[in-house]
Amino acid sequence: GEDVEQSLFLSVREGDSSVINCTYTDSSSTYLYWYKQEPGAGLQLLTYIFSNMDMKQDQRLTVLLNKKDKHLSLRIADTQTGDSAIYFCAENTGTASKLTFGTGTRLQVTL
Amino acid sequence: DAMVIQNPRYQVTQFGKPVTLSCSQTLNHNVMYWYQQKSSQAPKLLFHYYDKDFNNEADTPDNFQSRRPNTSFCFLDIRSPGLGDAAMYLCATSRDTVAETQYFGPGTRLLVL
Repeated sequence: GEDVEQSLFLSVREGDSSVINCTYTDSSSTYLYWYKQEPGAGLQLLTYIFSNMDMKQDQRLTVLLNKKDKHLSLRIADTQTGDSAIYFCAENTGTASKLTFGTGTRLQVTL
Repeated sequence: DAMVIQNPRYQVTQFGKPVTLSCSQTLNHNVMYWYQQKSSQAPKLLFHYYDKDFNNEADTPDNFQSRRPNTSFCFLDIRSPGLGDAAMYLCATSRDTVAETQYFGPGTRLLVL
């Protein structure tokens, strides 16, 4: 199957770290992505990780991949109000062009 | 800057009246995709073009068609929009199909009256 699951909502205080989790089921996924979607806007690619990696860091973003458990997470350090958005994880199995998206996690950053 | 452009950003149409959404790209990518995203849902792939080759998803309704006259442009045609077709329509591109990152446009929000 290709179901990708995320928790629906996360609320954090400004300055704290946010951790958004994703569980996927297709073990043949080659790339896993995190996209950000602000209200009424398209999808902005934040970062991605290749399936043979465990961790990738890009400025305030850290992606962790646990292939054994098919678990992907996105950590945002020093979360700002501008980080408020919906975050989608997505997988690309590499066998086709299809991206399968998770259900999306709405991140709310409070002052 | 190289980018994916969608026009218009907002489109209002009447029930049953054909509508066309436009996407263009300056990335010179081979692949262009159309996704439908309904409120509070994940984007759902409708179809994609690899160059001039059209690839339809099995569950995409016949009401949705697409054209790609050249590398830069791709159109989404909705022949007879129903109320259930109101959604955000997202265009994306990628250099190739296998394990390639997709880059998205800002989307067109379609309202059907």
